[in-house]
Amino acid sequence: DGGITQSPKYLFRKEGQNVTLSCEQNLNHDAMYWYRQDPGQGLRLIYYSQIVNDFQKGDIAEGYSVSREKKESFPLTVTSAQKNPTAFYLCASSTGGESTDTQYFGPGTRLTVL
Amino acid sequence: DQQVKQNSPSLSVQEGRISILNCDYTNSMFDYFLWYKKYPAEGPTFLISISSIKDKNEDGRFTVFLNKSAKHLSLHIVPSQPGDSAVYFCAASVYQAGTALIFGKGTTLSVSS
Repeated sequence: DGGITQSPKYLFRKEGQNVTLSCEQNLNHDAMYWYRQDPGQGLRLIYYSQIVNDFQKGDIAEGYSVSREKKESFPLTVTSAQKNPTAFYLCASSTGGESTDTQYFGPGTRLTVL
Repeated sequence: DQQVKQNSPSLSVQEGRISILNCDYTNSMFDYFLWYKKYPAEGPTFLISISSIKDKNEDGRFTVFLNKSAKHLSLHIVPSQPGDSAVYFCAASVYQAGTALIFGKGTTLSVSS
């Protein structure tokens, strides 16, 4: 059953702690993305990766870090430097490199900072 | 500065009628447009897309229209069903290596029976 999985579904963190959100895909997609959604807002791009061992900052990368050591995995670390980390985090993937590239999303992780 | 705008935060429609969701954009370089449907606490689900070389794309009850001169696209759902009630996001992209999607803020559609 192909798709994108994100874990955990809900995550609680104390202020000042780093936390890593998992994203795995078995669609054999080259490109992967992290977005953040806040209430009443659209999705905003945090980081993206077109290929293994390469990634680029999106519009709101400050306070976040990523790695892309494997094609199927793109974990996101929310660091203590992120000023307002409470949000709904969405991971997506796509084949990449096409003019009609369609992104498919995982179920999301709700992060709450206590 | 929002490049993709969905000016109607909400829309209410009766079951069986047509739902029309609108989206405007400012970047004339956008060449691919998508609509996603999203339920609370879930990831967006891809619905339908359209390339800038076309002006219409149809898939079952869903049709997307693109008016490039007006920088406007719309999603038509006919007939609307209660299960269509969700938030609908319009998104756009420019074909170049590494470009991700630019999303509107979404329109909440409520279909009453």
